Amino acid sequence: RKEVEQDPGPFNVPEGATVAFNCTYSNSASQSFFWYRQDCRKEPKLLMSVYSSGNEDGRFTAQLNRASQYISLLIRDSKLSDSATYLCVVTLNTGGFKTIFGAGTRLFVKA
Amino acid sequence: GAVVSQHPSWVICKSGTSVKIECRSLDFQATTMFWYRQFPKQSLMLMATSNEGSKATYEQGVEKDKFLINHASLTLSTLTVTSAHPEDSSFYICSATLAGPGETQYFGPGTRLLVL
Repeated sequence: RKEVEQDPGPFNVPEGATVAFNCTYSNSASQSFFWYRQDCRKEPKLLMSVYSSGNEDGRFTAQLNRASQYISLLIRDSKLSDSATYLCVVTLNTGGFKTIFGAGTRLFVKA
Repeated sequence: GAVVSQHPSWVICKSGTSVKIECRSLDFQATTMFWYRQFPKQSLMLMATSNEGSKATYEQGVEKDKFLINHASLTLSTLTVTSAHPEDSSFYICSATLAGPGETQYFGPGTRLLVL
C-alpha cells in the first residue's frame, strides 16, 4: 500500500463546478499535511496547509480526518486557471522528518 | 514570500559527463534543503535531505557517490550528477524550509536534465 494515495483522475469539470479531491495516508504518525498544486512542467507550489479543524482560503477548503487518515480538498466555482495536478503531501517524524508526496490528481476545467 | 532559485533550468549533456545543479534560497536562510527527482507522470521522489554544514541524508536506493550533495551555506546547496547516463534524465527539483524539516517547503523551479 502506498504511503499517500490519491485518485489520479483526471477530473474533467466545467467552469463553475465544485470538485472534491481525496487523499489517504497510511502512517498514523503523520504530523503535517499540505495540498500543493503543480502545473505541467513546473515546480509544485503550496496551495494550503491542512488542519484538523478544517481551513478555507477563498474558493478552496481543506479538511483533515485523523481518525480515518483522510484529507480532502474542495474547490468551489472552478476556474480555467485551476487546471493543474493537485498533490497531497504528508510529513512525518520517525526519528527524522520525512515528506511524502502523493502521485497527484489531475484536474481539467473546461469552458 | 520565500523564493528558491535553481540553476540551470535546462541541461543537455552527453553520457558520462557530470552535471552540477545549484539551489539557492534568495530571501531567507534555509537550514534544510531537499532534492527531489520527478519522472514524467510520476510523483516527486525525495532523493536526499541536506543540512548546512553536515553530510546529506540519502533515501534508500539513491547512490551517494553518483548524486553528490554539498550544502556549503545557509543559502546554497548543490547537486552533482556524476557520470550521467540516459536513465538519469529527469526533472530535478530542490526545496527549502524556513524553519525545521517538518515545515512548509518552498520549491525551486526545477532543472530538466537530458542525457544523450
